[in-house]
Amino acid sequence: TQLLEQSPQFLSIQEGENLTVYCNSSSVFSSLQWYRQEPGEGPVLLVTVVTGGEVKKLKRLTFQFGDARKDSSLHITAAQPGDTGLYLCAGEYGGTYKYIFGTGTRLKVLA
Amino acid sequence: ETGVTQTPRHLVMGMTNKKSLKCEQHLGHNAMYWYKQSAKKPLELMFVYNFKEQTENNSVPSRFSPECPNSSHLFLHLHTLQPEDSALYLCASSQAGSGGPNTGELFFGEGSRLTVL
Repeated sequence: TQLLEQSPQFLSIQEGENLTVYCNSSSVFSSLQWYRQEPGEGPVLLVTVVTGGEVKKLKRLTFQFGDARKDSSLHITAAQPGDTGLYLCAGEYGGTYKYIFGTGTRLKVLA
Repeated sequence: ETGVTQTPRHLVMGMTNKKSLKCEQHLGHNAMYWYKQSAKKPLELMFVYNFKEQTENNSVPSRFSPECPNSSHLFLHLHTLQPEDSALYLCASSQAGSGGPNTGELFFGEGSRLTVL
């Protein structure tokens, strides 16, 4: 069974701090996505990475796909209370339309 | 508003009841999914439909029965459920490609919160 392990599981930080969330697997993925889920809602896509070693920036968020396409990281600079939520990585196997989600990281940013 | 609508938002049922969850997408996508989200487990893929054909049944117990009458609608029929089936059931859709990496975005509904008594 493919498994995506995320760390840390929980994170509570002060506004303005930086943080990194990790997503690790022993499997190789064709693409990897990061989602954020807020209470009472479904997950919403933040980014998709496809190429090993790829780095994408979305304002204060930086996403990296590992060279071997087995792992990824999400770095948030100067976190804000609006960043609070559940962060999920999801890996996809080429052509299968099958997205396997990670264990999740619950982030709380305190004002 | 994600373009994926799930009903009902909340459902309480006894173990002997039969109920159904409904999902409708207005995005013109050709793939639809059921996921289960419970407190202590990762988001679990249950079923995948691609062009109305079921392409994945992730070892889901037969008390969950999916139905996809067309590419816009997806149902999850529930019968003789167990209390451990209580969870948030999320529907999603995407535009699946014809081969190669699918970098399509999953669009999720808000979920149906199911409680089995």
